Amino acid sequence: DVKVTQSSRYLVKRTGEKVFLECVQDMDHENMFWYRQDPGLGLRLIYFSYDVKMKEKGDIPEGYSVSREKKERFSLILESASTNQTSMYLCASREGGEGEKLFFGSGTQLSVL
Amino acid sequence: KQEVTQIPAALSVPEGENLVLNCSFTDSAIYNLQWFRQDPGKGLTSLLLIQSSQREQTSGRLNASLDKSSGRSTLYIAASQPGDSATYLCAANTGGFKTIFGAGTRLFVKA
Repeated sequence: DVKVTQSSRYLVKRTGEKVFLECVQDMDHENMFWYRQDPGLGLRLIYFSYDVKMKEKGDIPEGYSVSREKKERFSLILESASTNQTSMYLCASREGGEGEKLFFGSGTQLSVL
Repeated sequence: KQEVTQIPAALSVPEGENLVLNCSFTDSAIYNLQWFRQDPGKGLTSLLLIQSSQREQTSGRLNASLDKSSGRSTLYIAASQPGDSATYLCAANTGGFKTIFGAGTRLFVKA
């Protein structure tokens, strides 16, 4: 089965810090996604990428950027972390077709103090 | 705008019971519907994917059905076990890169 690896399970950062969340998939998937999950708000799409160096904004991109320099790696960047970015961050990948299955990583719980 | 609703929000059942989790969506134009399991503080684990042309999929004790015309999907869990305790989410792929998730049903199976 597909393995999607997120580099950190828990992170604690200070307000204003630059934060990098890393995600690696091992199945040569074209599409990769970053979501955040908050109680009462469910999963919301931040950014997605459909190819190397290609990215598109999701529903809540403000305060975030992404990088995809290699096919297997998709990074989420918080340029200047704020307390309202405290959340569970979930990375997912999928093969090229729209009918394909989404595979998720184990999540990163980020706390911004 | 597609909306995905899961009812009930929480469910508690005794071990051994068969149960059904419900998922409804407002727009029948979906590519597929996927069911996930999420344990506390963890990521989502894919359980079953039903393509829009299919009616059901089975894996072990799990069976998922899809009725596009009525905008409904169900996840049937047979002979529930305490290890099935988790939150179950459904997600409708509406095309492109858009997947709409339900809020989940939190299941507790009592030993």
